[in-house]
Amino acid sequence: SQQGEEDPQALSIQEGENATMNCSYKTSINNLQWYRQNSGRGLVHLILIRSNEREKHSGRLRVTLDTSKKSSSLLITASRAADTASYFCATEGKAAGNKLTFGGGTRVLVKP
Amino acid sequence: NAGVTQTPKFRVLKTGQSMTLLCAQDMNHEYMYWYRQDPGMGLRLIHYSVGEGTTAKGEVPDGYNVSRLKKQNFLLGLESAAPSQTSVYFCASSYESLWTEKLFFGSGTQLSVL
Repeated sequence: SQQGEEDPQALSIQEGENATMNCSYKTSINNLQWYRQNSGRGLVHLILIRSNEREKHSGRLRVTLDTSKKSSSLLITASRAADTASYFCATEGKAAGNKLTFGGGTRVLVKP
Repeated sequence: NAGVTQTPKFRVLKTGQSMTLLCAQDMNHEYMYWYRQDPGMGLRLIHYSVGEGTTAKGEVPDGYNVSRLKKQNFLLGLESAAPSQTSVYFCASSYESLWTEKLFFGSGTQLSVL
C-alpha cells in the first residue's frame, strides 16, 4: 500500500526559483523522510522529520510537517540545475505495520 | 568507502530463468532491505532483514526469496522469473534501527524479463 502521495507529480521551474512539493498521507505516522533520486541512480536521503517536529532545515531545503492535516512539504530554495531529480516522501507508521512506505514521487526539472 | 553496492547493474532474463541479485554494504549496518521500483508506484518493499541470519517478508514478497548469511550481504533470488518482475531493484541498509532512521541505497539493478 502506498501511504504517502506526492503532489504535484511533475514540476518545471527556472534556475533560481523556489520549488515546493507536498506529501499527503492517510494515517498517523511516527516519522516522515524525504529522498532525492537522480536519473538512473539510487535514492539519497535528504531529511527525516519526526511526528513531534514541525519544521526542519538542511542547507537550501526546508521541510514542514502538519500532523493535523496529515501532510508535509519540501521546499527547495534558489534551485539549481543540479536539483533536477525525482523527490520521494516516505512514511513510517502503523498503517503499513510500521514499515517505511514510499510515495510515487515528484519529478522536478530545473531549467538553466 | 563504497557504501551499498549492487550487482549486476543490468540483466535480461527469459521467462522461467532464475537469478540472484547481490547487495553488499561495508558500513556494518544491521538492517538491510530490498525494494522494487515501478513507474508511478514509488518503491515497494519485497523483503528485509534485521540482522545476520534473519529475513522477513515485505509488501510484495511473492516470487522472491532472500538470504542473509553474512551481515554485509543480502541476496535476492528469483527462482522462476516472470515478466511481472521486470523492474528496477534497489537494496538499502540502515544502522541502528528499523524504519526510524535514514536508509542508504545502492544504485539499483535494472531487470527485464522477456
